[in-house]
Amino acid sequence: GEDVEQSLFLSVREGDSSVINCTYTDSSSTYLYWYKQEPGAGLQLLTYIFSNMDMKQDQRLTVLLNKKDKHLSLRIADTQTGDSAIYFCAENRWTSYDKVIFGPGTSLSVIP
Amino acid sequence: ETGVTQSPTHLIKTRGQQVTLRCSSQSGHNTVSWYQQALGQGPQFIFQYYREEENGRGNFPPRFSGLQFPNYSSELNVNALELDDSALYLCASSSEDRGYEQYFGPGTRLTVT
Repeated sequence: GEDVEQSLFLSVREGDSSVINCTYTDSSSTYLYWYKQEPGAGLQLLTYIFSNMDMKQDQRLTVLLNKKDKHLSLRIADTQTGDSAIYFCAENRWTSYDKVIFGPGTSLSVIP
Repeated sequence: ETGVTQSPTHLIKTRGQQVTLRCSSQSGHNTVSWYQQALGQGPQFIFQYYREEENGRGNFPPRFSGLQFPNYSSELNVNALELDDSALYLCASSSEDRGYEQYFGPGTRLTVT
C-alpha cells in the first residue's frame, strides 16, 4: 500500500528515553526522515538516514533502520518537556524527483 | 528558522472562490514542493517545481496549480474551493545537489466556509 504507518500517541516522563516507531512501504526508498512539528508551526527536519545505513546518531537522537522489515525508529535520550510535539516519519520515493511521503505523525507528550 | 517564508499566514475563503498562496525559497534553493496537511494528518504531496517547470505531481485534481518564478519563489493556486480544501499548506525548498533535504516554511492556514 501507499501508507507510512506510525503509532499515534506516546507519553513519557521527563528524563526518560522516548522511542517512536514507523513502518514504511517502499523498499527502494532512498532516504528516511524524521520531522518535528510544534503546535501551529511548520515542519522541522530533525534528522534523516540514507537507506544503506543501519544507524545514525546525532546528539540526543538515534535513528535505527531495519530495511528487511521496513522499520524505522527514532530514540530521543533524556526527553525534555520541549520535546513535546508531533513527530513525522517520512520516506523519499525517488523516481525522477524527490517525492516525500509522510506518516500520520506520533504525538509525543512529556510529563514533568 | 529555515529561511523559507510563506504568505499569508491565515486566510478565510468561501466555497467556489479561488486562492493564491505564496512561498519564498531558502537562498540557494531552486526546487519547491507543496504539501497539504489536513487537521490531524501528515502532509500530502501536491506537486514539485524545478527551474520553473512542474516535475512531479501527487493525487490532486487540476484545480490545484502552481507557478515558479525566475527567483525560485513559487505560488500555489486553488480554483473552485471546496470545504475539504481547508488545511495547512506547506511549501518546502531544496537545492539541486541535495534535493533529498527539504526545508519547510511555517505554512498558510486556509479555511474554506
